[in-house]
Amino acid sequence: DSGVTQTPKHLITATGQRVTLRCSPRSGDLSVYWYQQSLDQGLQFLIQYYNGEERAKGNILERFSAQQFPDLHSELNLSSLELGDSALYFCASSVAPGEGQETQYFGPGTRLLVL
Amino acid sequence: GENVEQHPSTLSVQEGDSAVIKCTYSDSASNYFPWYKQELGKRPQLIIDIRSNVGEKKDQRIAVTLNKTAKHFSLHITETQPEDSAVYFCAARAGTALIFGKGTTLSVSS
Repeated sequence: DSGVTQTPKHLITATGQRVTLRCSPRSGDLSVYWYQQSLDQGLQFLIQYYNGEERAKGNILERFSAQQFPDLHSELNLSSLELGDSALYFCASSVAPGEGQETQYFGPGTRLLVL
Repeated sequence: GENVEQHPSTLSVQEGDSAVIKCTYSDSASNYFPWYKQELGKRPQLIIDIRSNVGEKKDQRIAVTLNKTAKHFSLHITETQPEDSAVYFCAARAGTALIFGKGTTLSVSS
């Protein structure tokens, strides 16, 4: 157990819908990262928050957004869902994105299926 | 931006043999290189990492080497066991984000 929690574990929804994925980082970690894992694209970095502020952006679609709250948990919002959004979504956390503190610990993931 | 290439995509070995997975990266500013192991349906788990000021790091049967000049790093697993079977991902840190290779599926047969 990495100490990172994610809910829900599984999510089945329809095209065009909107869903919210939740992540709680390890105690003491200030950084949260979101990744999408699909069969053909591997682990793709989406976005990072550090202490409530957006820190880095990767291949995140405009239909997707995220935020980190004062208690440091994070939510990833996916809207206007398409079949191709079906994937495993992982959250990871680290103490800080700095030298010696950047080890990222992954949560168990949320498996999203869009029908 | 950073790009990480990983080879091979699949690797089959006999129990007790060694396994080597190689990665190359494009951004010479990258300074942190972790390796993750992912079993089917589970989370990626960090198995070893190396920072750019170190050329080699070892942890029991696992070792990682880094060649900054050539911009490549490798994972070496010795005395492989069936429980080493999994998907292994290399990554390089570009800025604050990790950029992952596409993974190597390692199969260890007894």
